[in-house]
Amino acid sequence: DTEVTQTPKHLVMGMTNKKSLKCEQHMGHRAMYWYKQKAKKPPELMFVYSYEKLSINESVPSRFSPECPNSSLLNLHLHALQPEDSALYLCASSPRATQKNYEQYFGPGTRLTVT
Amino acid sequence: QKEVEQNSGPLSVPEGAIASLNCTYSDRGSQSFFWYRQYSGKSPELIMSIYSNGDKEDGRFTAQLNKASQYVSLLIRDSQPSDSATYLCAVKGYSTLTFGKGTMLLVSP
Repeated sequence: DTEVTQTPKHLVMGMTNKKSLKCEQHMGHRAMYWYKQKAKKPPELMFVYSYEKLSINESVPSRFSPECPNSSLLNLHLHALQPEDSALYLCASSPRATQKNYEQYFGPGTRLTVT
Repeated sequence: QKEVEQNSGPLSVPEGAIASLNCTYSDRGSQSFFWYRQYSGKSPELIMSIYSNGDKEDGRFTAQLNKASQYVSLLIRDSQPSDSATYLCAVKGYSTLTFGKGTMLLVSP
């Protein structure tokens, strides 16, 4: 069962709000990812959690902070976002991050609008 | 800088035809290759993966990989209007996926 779930589906938040996006995978995968996707652009990697180790895309601003409570859950905490942060936020998981042959599965995404 | 190049399209084909989508990549160390389908407003859906040179078939989809020429392609046989979507080519080196910008496919009835 290739299932990654994300909540909420839609989120509207002001620039002074704090909110969190949640992601859960039920496949026993050991690597989870956050991507950001703007319209008509490919997904951009933000964070990778693999074997309890966090890897960060250094271009991601600090107003985004990931949290991995356990191996099947991945949260993305949002604080003081800007309107340009409005995008589709995608969570993905894979069996491992560095193994040669692995397949990465995406959740349905959270559509975030910052007002 | 690792790059994955795709023609942005749109690629227009009539229903029942073969759609051919192409992708080139710059990193010779790339090991794994994937095709994702993405409908407008939805998340990417993995439809094919290929790891070795040659062809891999799954239903109406065939992925082709040529590492010497650094290209990977996706053929969709008997195209259906429901195949209309953006197709993302993704290439993996050691750890992360690099996506192309995607090719929009339009299948007309």
